Amino acid sequence: QSALTQPASVSGSPGQSITISCTGASSDIGGYDFVSWYQQFPGEAPRVVIYNVSKRPLGVSNRFSGSKSGNTASLTISGLQAEDEGDYYCSSFTSTSTLYVFGSGTKVTVL
Amino acid sequence: QVQLQESGPGLLKPSETLSLTCTVSSDFTNNYYWSWVRQPAGKGLEWLGRIYNSGNTNYNPSLKGRITMSVDTPNNQFSLKLRFLTAADSAVYFCARIGLADAFDVWGQGTMVTVSS
Repeated sequence: QSALTQPASVSGSPGQSITISCTGASSDIGGYDFVSWYQQFPGEAPRVVIYNVSKRPLGVSNRFSGSKSGNTASLTISGLQAEDEGDYYCSSFTSTSTLYVFGSGTKVTVL
Repeated sequence: QVQLQESGPGLLKPSETLSLTCTVSSDFTNNYYWSWVRQPAGKGLEWLGRIYNSGNTNYNPSLKGRITMSVDTPNNQFSLKLRFLTAADSAVYFCARIGLADAFDVWGQGTMVTVSS
């Protein structure tokens, strides 16, 4: 069982905005700003799209944005495009001995 | 841009030991943690452990002492050993760099490992 809870699936039409939630605890998301989000396509490695809660790596579209409130982090994809379809995972550093936890993953479908 | 490449056997038997190596193209001597993450087929990501250039390690306690990581700085490599394999260890294994704000910012392409008799 994953330590961070995400919805199994989220869908939207092209051009719309969608938000994926990631709920943890005070020992991880609530306690640190070390929250990151990963995009993964079938058969490929994950790619970081957000780090440090809301920062975008070079080369990542500004349609991706991140935020955090309490023990819940969120990833918003604006202006949804067909190329955004894939799986998305959140991750956080944690004060427990596990150190890093991932979310259960969310499948994004573009209708 | 730094690149990572995993190598190792793809098929092992229960109770055997998995040995994987990750070769780093550059920046290996800089101050980063290097990590292993695995993903069973159709499932989510699981962090296995991390190692610093100095050799300091941290492991996921869920692996119950079966894991060992090491570094080979002259060859720009770090390695994973996972003992007493079971079918539950079958997964794609990724090596990754831990960068700013503890994000996994560079990943290898992954290598599939199957444990079967």
